[in-house]
Amino acid sequence: EDKVVQSPLSLVVHEGDTVTLNCSYEVTNFRSLLWYKQEKKAPTFLFMLTSSGIEKKSGRLSSILDKKELFSILNITATQTGDSAIYLCAVEAGSSNTGKLIFGQGTTLQVKP
Amino acid sequence: DVKVTQSSRYLVKRTGEKVFLECVQDMDHENMFWYRQDPGLGLRLIYFSYDVKMKEKGDIPEGYSVSREKKERFSLILESASTNQTSMYLCASSSSSGPYEQYFGPGTRLTVT
Repeated sequence: EDKVVQSPLSLVVHEGDTVTLNCSYEVTNFRSLLWYKQEKKAPTFLFMLTSSGIEKKSGRLSSILDKKELFSILNITATQTGDSAIYLCAVEAGSSNTGKLIFGQGTTLQVKP
Repeated sequence: DVKVTQSSRYLVKRTGEKVFLECVQDMDHENMFWYRQDPGLGLRLIYFSYDVKMKEKGDIPEGYSVSREKKERFSLILESASTNQTSMYLCASSSSSGPYEQYFGPGTRLTVT
């Protein structure tokens, strides 16, 4: 059975800290891995990774994929209170192009002032 | 700006009632999805549709049905609501030609009493 596991499930840091969120997966026919940020409402897309070892970056957020070890990390540097959210990892896999994603449990990040 | 809308943000229903949750997207996407989100469990796929009148069961379809009569609209139906269906329901859509980034609606928080 395909599965995606995120760790830690929750995290509390102070502003300015750097955090690393983890996502590991066991799936058949991996296609891509996606990161989303969810505040009070709809998850919003952050990154899509398909190739191993290539870092995607957006401001203070960056992510990298290791297809050999089957995991990805999301780094947030110089955290701000606005980074408080649930971070979701999802994997697209399988033999048909249905666009189905398998989601992890999410990591709840709280950034204190 | 891409948009996925859901008919209600908050809904309170009684056990045994029939409940309709509606989702509309304006991006001409072929794929549409219904998830429920519960603390510690992440997003779990209920049903998805890859074309008008086409549907497939996700991981937790029991107690739910769906309808897709028009490309832009995907409805989730709870035939006889039960208290264990109290949850956050999220709708999403994506293109069938890739990339398969899913765009999410704001969610409906359903409480069944």
